[in-house]
Amino acid sequence: EVQLVESGGGLVQPGGSLRLSCVASGFTFSDYWMTWVRQAPGKGLEWVANIKYDGSEKFVVASLKGRFTISRDNAERSLYLQMNSLSVEDTAVYYCARPPHPAVRPSSLCDWGRGTLVDVSS
Amino acid sequence: EIVMTQTPLSSPVTLGQPASISCRSSQGLVHSDGSTYLSWLQQRPGQPPRLLLYKISNRFSGVPDRFSGSGAGTEFTLKISRVEAEDVGVYYCMQATQFPWTFGQGTKVEIK
Repeated sequence: EVQLVESGGGLVQPGGSLRLSCVASGFTFSDYWMTWVRQAPGKGLEWVANIKYDGSEKFVVASLKGRFTISRDNAERSLYLQMNSLSVEDTAVYYCARPPHPAVRPSSLCDWGRGTLVDVSS
Repeated sequence: EIVMTQTPLSSPVTLGQPASISCRSSQGLVHSDGSTYLSWLQQRPGQPPRLLLYKISNRFSGVPDRFSGSGAGTEFTLKISRVEAEDVGVYYCMQATQFPWTFGQGTKVEIK
């Protein structure tokens, strides 16, 4: 069974930093692109970032470039999101997700974690 | 950035009746590899999203066949042939043809 378990969220003051983690199991993590998606309270879904299975390609939404960094450790079966200079607008549940097929360009997102809540507030 | 626009934003339906959601993209979604990376996801209350359909009409594993997708170019449709109580939730279209990936605003399906 595929499992994605996010952690690292919590309450942080504006201007602070957090590092989110997502530990994967039930599939060959090193074969899959991985994605972070966020959802502000009561709002829709927003794609944040993608990373290729070997870490050689990374894509981050333009509005977050320079503040958010995606990375992975295939040996640890883990995906990360480093978030700096956080603002109240970054308050959201952050999900990690996996596409349906290994190695190839991702076509969608078929497996999702339950998310971790990041609350940016003074 | 490709903008995804869903209609309606709210859809009250009667159990057993069909439902339909439209999704329009601001640009064509055909990738240079020939595929159209348009997906539909369902989010039940308090749950993470769940993939229903990918590449317009491919039903993901375990998804009931009452869910179907169609469309081409910039116009896409999700149809539920007979709505069941468990179908209540918010439905999103998503394009993965071009970065940044983008989602529609979501359509809330509820029972009348």
